[in-house]
Amino acid sequence: KAGVTQTPRYLIKTRGQQVTLSCSPISGHRSVSWYQQTPGQGLQFLFEYFSETQRNKGNFPGRFSGRQFSNSRSEMNVSTLELGDSALYLCASSFNGPYTNTEAFFGQGTRLTVV
Amino acid sequence: GQQLNQSPQSMFIQEGEDVSMNCTSSSIFNTWLWYKQDPGEGPVLLIALYKAGELTSNGRLTAQFGITRKDSFLNISASIPSDVGIYFCAGQLLGGADGLTFGKGTHLIIQP
Repeated sequence: KAGVTQTPRYLIKTRGQQVTLSCSPISGHRSVSWYQQTPGQGLQFLFEYFSETQRNKGNFPGRFSGRQFSNSRSEMNVSTLELGDSALYLCASSFNGPYTNTEAFFGQGTRLTVV
Repeated sequence: GQQLNQSPQSMFIQEGEDVSMNCTSSSIFNTWLWYKQDPGEGPVLLIALYKAGELTSNGRLTAQFGITRKDSFLNISASIPSDVGIYFCAGQLLGGADGLTFGKGTHLIIQP
């Protein structure tokens, strides 16, 4: 059974640009969550999608957005990139999401560097 | 937002030693998860805990969900070189409105 796949693995962008990251969850999983990991702040929750709807949202500005497709694949978009957006962006997949007791499985992440 | 206090921040141990780390919070969690992360990789789930008082093992790893539902610990017995990495605790609040809340991690370093 394939794990969570994130693409691309690495990205370098310039300030002001926008970026789209992709996540394919484990087959059969309907919940996809996104997290930002930085050395200073650690792992922070961005948002969660379940059945194509954003179900939960963390405390991030509106420049961070996402969507989920009917096949449960999800994309995350960051507009008007800032230097502080440089981070490892992680996607986590789970069967039913956080409202039930299910584990979250992470992808390898996308390392975004903003210059 | 909610905070998880994970300690210790780092550990320097000899191969073969036992390891213990823990997470505490002022909030009540209904799920505790323990992850290990290697450099450049995503976190890998080690153990999941769902009931207060639950004690679960996975090989040389043992974790417990505290009775108060505000803490959890992870023990690693007879450490080996491949145990090196960063260990994270993560908690899920009842209702799950904030996703998983993560501790800052415990960096385990094993000296030969």
